[in-house]
Amino acid sequence: DTGVSQNPRHKITKRGQNVTFRCDPISEHNRLYWYRQTLGQGPEFLTYFQNEAQLEKSRLLSDRFSAERPKGSFSTLEIQRTEQGDSAMYLCAGEPSEGSYEQYFGPGTRLTVT
Amino acid sequence: SQQGEEDPQALSIQEGENATMNCSYKTSINNLQWYRQNSGRGLVHLILIRSNEREKHSGRLRVTLDTSKKSSSLLITASRAADTASYFCATDASFYDYKLSFGAGTTVTVRA
Repeated sequence: DTGVSQNPRHKITKRGQNVTFRCDPISEHNRLYWYRQTLGQGPEFLTYFQNEAQLEKSRLLSDRFSAERPKGSFSTLEIQRTEQGDSAMYLCAGEPSEGSYEQYFGPGTRLTVT
Repeated sequence: SQQGEEDPQALSIQEGENATMNCSYKTSINNLQWYRQNSGRGLVHLILIRSNEREKHSGRLRVTLDTSKKSSSLLITASRAADTASYFCATDASFYDYKLSFGAGTTVTVRA
């Protein structure tokens, strides 16, 4: 158990709907990361936060995607106007201590857009 | 785009045998990490090796890193059925670039 939880674990939505995922790292995780993983591939970086500041966003993160980390605790990832191509596993990871570089992943949220 | 590339893509071995998989990457790195993922689940961190290290051990795992060849290997000794999973290498590019770039993974099947 990495201490990182994600909700919901599964989400099925219709194309065009908005969805929001939540990630709860443990309190010591000052850096928090979001990745997306499609079938048969490794995870791809989306964005990361250091405390509440969003410091980097991948070009994969189109303007339909937004992420927040209010007060540097939990984080949310919202996808607006979902498309079938958004179907994937969305993974959140926390870094346990400053400078460790190790990332500990939550169980992921599997999104299916129909 | 993915930085790392694992080889082989798939590996099937008998319980008790050793499993070796390789990872090659394209640009210089700060650290290289190996992760395990059971089907449909999140990633489990296995080991991190820094760019100035050549070999690291953790239980039945042995990782080597050759920065001159831009490659790493993961050896799992005395494999067990529970080792059946996909294994990914992941790199971070520099001291201040924390995001991980993953390969497509090696799928390992351990037969009883």
